[in-house]
Amino acid sequence: DTEVTQTPKHLVMGMTNKKSLKCEQHMGHRAMYWYKQKAKKPPELMFVYSYEKLSINESVPSRFSPECPNSSLLNLHLHALQPEDSALYLCASSLGLQHGDTQYFGPGTRLTVL
Amino acid sequence: EDQVTQSPEALRLQEGESSSLNCSYTVSGLRGLFWYRQDPGKGPEFLFTLYSAGEEKEKERLKATLTKKESFLHITAPKPEDSATYLCAVPTGANSKLTFGKGITLSVRP
Repeated sequence: DTEVTQTPKHLVMGMTNKKSLKCEQHMGHRAMYWYKQKAKKPPELMFVYSYEKLSINESVPSRFSPECPNSSLLNLHLHALQPEDSALYLCASSLGLQHGDTQYFGPGTRLTVL
Repeated sequence: EDQVTQSPEALRLQEGESSSLNCSYTVSGLRGLFWYRQDPGKGPEFLFTLYSAGEEKEKERLKATLTKKESFLHITAPKPEDSATYLCAVPTGANSKLTFGKGITLSVRP
């Protein structure tokens, strides 16, 4: 089974709201990722966790706060977002951080910031 | 600089009309090339990983090949349900960061 799940599927929030995105995998993968994808563009990497520790932060604004409570779960906490943050947010996981390790993506959360 | 270029940007085929999608790359020391399929509003679905020049992989109507400079995704007798955006990506830099091409949007008319 190569399933990564994400909740919620859709989220609408105001610029003063606080919300969280959730990602889960049960494949025993030790690396997990957050990507942001705008329409007609490829995914852009935001964060990488390896063994529950933050490995990469691609200079993402602090209004996005990732959290990895355990090896199966990845959260993205959102606060004071801007309308330009509206996008499809994708979670992915891989066995590890070896270059040949395949990343498996979840279905995404469609975020709209009003 | 590591780069991934996909062509054409968009491709329209008649059902049953076979074709190929191209992904060319300039990476120092290729350690894998990935193909994904993405439907509108959904996450990328993994198709293939290729590791070395000469390698080929097949799945239903799709066949992926790899040379030292490029990869092809061959689609044989496509059906309308093959319509999607096809992304290729290579790991670059540290920690398995993927560099994606811009994608090829395939439309298959019945």
